[in-house]
Amino acid sequence: QKEVEQNSGPLSVPEGAIASLNCTYSDRGSQSFFWYRQYSGKSPELIMSIYSNGDKEDGRFTAQLNKASQYVSLLIRDSQPSDSATYLCAVKGHNTDKLIFGTGTRLQVFP
Amino acid sequence: ETGVTQTPRHLVMGMTNKKSLKCEQHLGHNAMYWYKQSAKKPLELMFVYSLEERVENNSVPSRFSPECPNSSHLFLHLHTLQPEDSALYLCASSQEWSLAGGSTDTQYFGPGTRLTVL
Repeated sequence: QKEVEQNSGPLSVPEGAIASLNCTYSDRGSQSFFWYRQYSGKSPELIMSIYSNGDKEDGRFTAQLNKASQYVSLLIRDSQPSDSATYLCAVKGHNTDKLIFGTGTRLQVFP
Repeated sequence: ETGVTQTPRHLVMGMTNKKSLKCEQHLGHNAMYWYKQSAKKPLELMFVYSLEERVENNSVPSRFSPECPNSSHLFLHLHTLQPEDSALYLCASSQEWSLAGGSTDTQYFGPGTRLTVL
């Protein structure tokens, strides 16, 4: 089992729709969770971080964490073509500051 | 300059060459990282430096040699590379690195060096 799993996609959504990106992780003791966005040919940039169960909202982005089920998700409301990118889920393992990344989900928002 | 910078942005080298990648962070952070990103694979952590001391080495071949002369600069020296080492090499930094883990520090990435080994 991979430590951090994401569906590679592509996930295609129309402009204005809600895009839902999911991530599961294997280390039950993980404490910190991050979503990065990576445009083609660019480096990852932090979108959201979440540390406790529930929802965390920042503008059009909402991160959701469920530690009991070991999943974390990212919702993008009112999706725009400029949101088209690969979204990387990253998890800090138990007793380490090492970030474990998933392979990323490619999101395509079409006009 | 702000954030994390990397040079060169692109590098093509032969298997017998020796080259170095440079990373500089302007954020006042104490921890710096080297990652490798290959197609269809997750980001792989290579090395971690905290306060100029190497604290993590993820079984990286010796043809990759990191150097951290101070908390703002990080180098990756390359020699006798293989074609399968072609990838995007990313540098990142964070405020601190904790061996015990559990900190909420965020890692910030540089633009990367696209390396091609012929």
